[in-house]
Amino acid sequence: EPEVTQTPSHQVTQMGQEVILRCVPISNHLYFYWYRQILGQKVEFLVSFYNNEISEKSEIFDDQFSVERPDGSNFTLKIRSTKLEDSAMYFCASKENGPRAEAFFGQGTRLTVV
Amino acid sequence: QQQVKQSPQSLIVQKGGISIINCAYENTAFDYFPWYQQFPGKGPALLIAIRPDVSEKKEGRFTISFNKSAKQFSLHIMDSQPGDSATYFCAASSGGTSYGKLTFGQGTILTVHP
Repeated sequence: EPEVTQTPSHQVTQMGQEVILRCVPISNHLYFYWYRQILGQKVEFLVSFYNNEISEKSEIFDDQFSVERPDGSNFTLKIRSTKLEDSAMYFCASKENGPRAEAFFGQGTRLTVV
Repeated sequence: QQQVKQSPQSLIVQKGGISIINCAYENTAFDYFPWYQQFPGKGPALLIAIRPDVSEKKEGRFTISFNKSAKQFSLHIMDSQPGDSATYFCAASSGGTSYGKLTFGQGTILTVHP
């Protein structure tokens, strides 16, 4: 069964460092998303990406965040200068076109900022 | 207005019992209401979803009840099993530029005792 894959599964970084979280969405999907989940809290929307551009972003997704689809298969989330409060589980999701299409989530990357 | 409120925060049920989780929303533009199941260390996985043109949808032991006028929807798990122990999130989304973006509830930790 096709699945969304994310790497790495766990990333530890020092405050102020840049991190890149990687995702390979399902191949025929057209919509891509990043969500985050702070430990014990709900899943929060960060950004959606369609047709090679950001279609929507949340208040959380400030200038420190950026997304890219550099090669038509990978979908990356970059955090330029990490803060302690960026520590969370980051989930990539993708879906195909259509109003009834299901969003498939990856296993997540646990980011720990120390 | 974008929030989805979920209750209870945690739920303990005996094997064979009925688990009921409730959600409420304010945004009348929401037109897709999925429920996600999340096991520890995993990404959310779609369990069942409903659109507002029907009041109930059943898939196996899982049923969504939808009350459009009250802006509420609920998940019923019949004959609950220990393997159902997980965190359950309701969510909602709407079309347009927010197409596919999911707004999640706070989550319910379900524990089914054998």
